[in-house]
Amino acid sequence: EVQLLESGGGLVQPGGSLRLSCAASGFTFSSSAMSWVRQAPGKGLEWVSGISAGGGDTPYADSVKGRFTISRDNSKSTLYLQMNSLRAEDTAVYYCAKKVSGAAPFDYWGQGTLVTVSS
Amino acid sequence: EIVMTQSPATLSVSPGERATLSCRASQSVSSNLAWYQQKPGQGPRLLIYGASSRATGIPARFSGSGSGTEFTLTISSLQSEDFAVYYCQQYQNWPPSTFGQGTKVEIK
Repeated sequence: EVQLLESGGGLVQPGGSLRLSCAASGFTFSSSAMSWVRQAPGKGLEWVSGISAGGGDTPYADSVKGRFTISRDNSKSTLYLQMNSLRAEDTAVYYCAKKVSGAAPFDYWGQGTLVTVSS
Repeated sequence: EIVMTQSPATLSVSPGERATLSCRASQSVSSNLAWYQQKPGQGPRLLIYGASSRATGIPARFSGSGSGTEFTLTISSLQSEDFAVYYCQQYQNWPPSTFGQGTKVEIK
């Protein structure tokens, strides 16, 4: 059974940093492209960043470029999102999502972790 | 960036009735279109990919159609567990992968 378990969310002040993790199991993590997708309270889904299976390709949404860094550790089957210079508008539930390749749908999602940016 | 527009925003349907949801892309995405279901407090679940192929374990009452810029998700006979929010997503031009704003299917 595919499982994606996010952690690391919480309350942080504007300008602060946070690192999210996503522990994967039930599939060959090292062969799967992964992404982070967020959902602001009461709003729709927004793709944040993705990473290829080998980690060499890491696109970002314009809204987070230069502030967020996606990475992965295939030996630990774990995906990360380092978030710096956080803003109030980054407040959202952050989901990790799996896909087979770059141009493909997200076939599995985690339950999400809530990030709240507030003073 | 391709903009995805869903309609209606809210659809009120009685159990057992048919629901038809629409999704329009600002430019052609061929058949690179997916539909997701999201229930409160849960991550989205993939229903349809390639515009019309059901994902693993998805009941046959869910069907997708369309290509290019116009797409439809049909739920043939709504069950209680189908009341949720539905999102379309294009993955033709990636990154970024873009989602519609969602259609909430509620009990009439």
